[in-house]
Amino acid sequence: QVTLKESGPVLVKPTETLTLTCTVSGFSLSNTRMVVTWIRQPPGRALEWLAHIFSDDEKAYSASLRSRLTVSKDTSKSQVVLTVTNLDPVDTATYYCARSSSGYYYDYFDFWGQGTLVTVSS
Amino acid sequence: EVVMTQSPATMSVSPGERATLSCRASQSVTTFLAWYQQKPGQAPRLLIYGASTRATGIPSRFSGSGSGTEFTLTISSLQSEDFAVYYCQQYNKWPTFGQGTKVEIK
Repeated sequence: QVTLKESGPVLVKPTETLTLTCTVSGFSLSNTRMVVTWIRQPPGRALEWLAHIFSDDEKAYSASLRSRLTVSKDTSKSQVVLTVTNLDPVDTATYYCARSSSGYYYDYFDFWGQGTLVTVSS
Repeated sequence: EVVMTQSPATMSVSPGERATLSCRASQSVTTFLAWYQQKPGQAPRLLIYGASTRATGIPSRFSGSGSGTEFTLTISSLQSEDFAVYYCQQYNKWPTFGQGTKVEIK
């Protein structure tokens, strides 16, 4: 059974750094077809692709947020980590991690985590 | 960036009726198009990929069509559990999502 679960702080202050962890089960991050992506959704708004990471550690980032994002993984722990620096209230959103498995560089998402709501406020 | 535009923003449909949702891409995405269903407080659920292939476990009342820049999601006979927000997503290039269509009970 494939599952993904996000964890991290629910409240962060402006200018701080956010670190989110996605813990996966039911598949291995070392499988060449598996890609984990971070996606966010501000309240009442649409979904926004942020970053992804491949089994060989190749990464890609949203062009608009590239300077503030870092994605990494620990295959032995089945975890993918996203950091977002210099937070602003506009970064308030539900953050999801999701899996792709068809092998395309850019892909659709067949399994999603439940999401974690992060509020940026002083 | 490929801009995805969904219409309508909201549609009111009676249970048992047919719903047709549209998604337009600002440039061709061939058939690299997926549809998701999202209910309040839940993560999106994959319905369709490759523009027309149903994901595992998705009922046959959901169907997708189109290619290039114009796509359609059809729900043949709406059930109570189908009232939700639907998003399209292209993955021909850096993935982008539409703004969503809310299907509400008439």
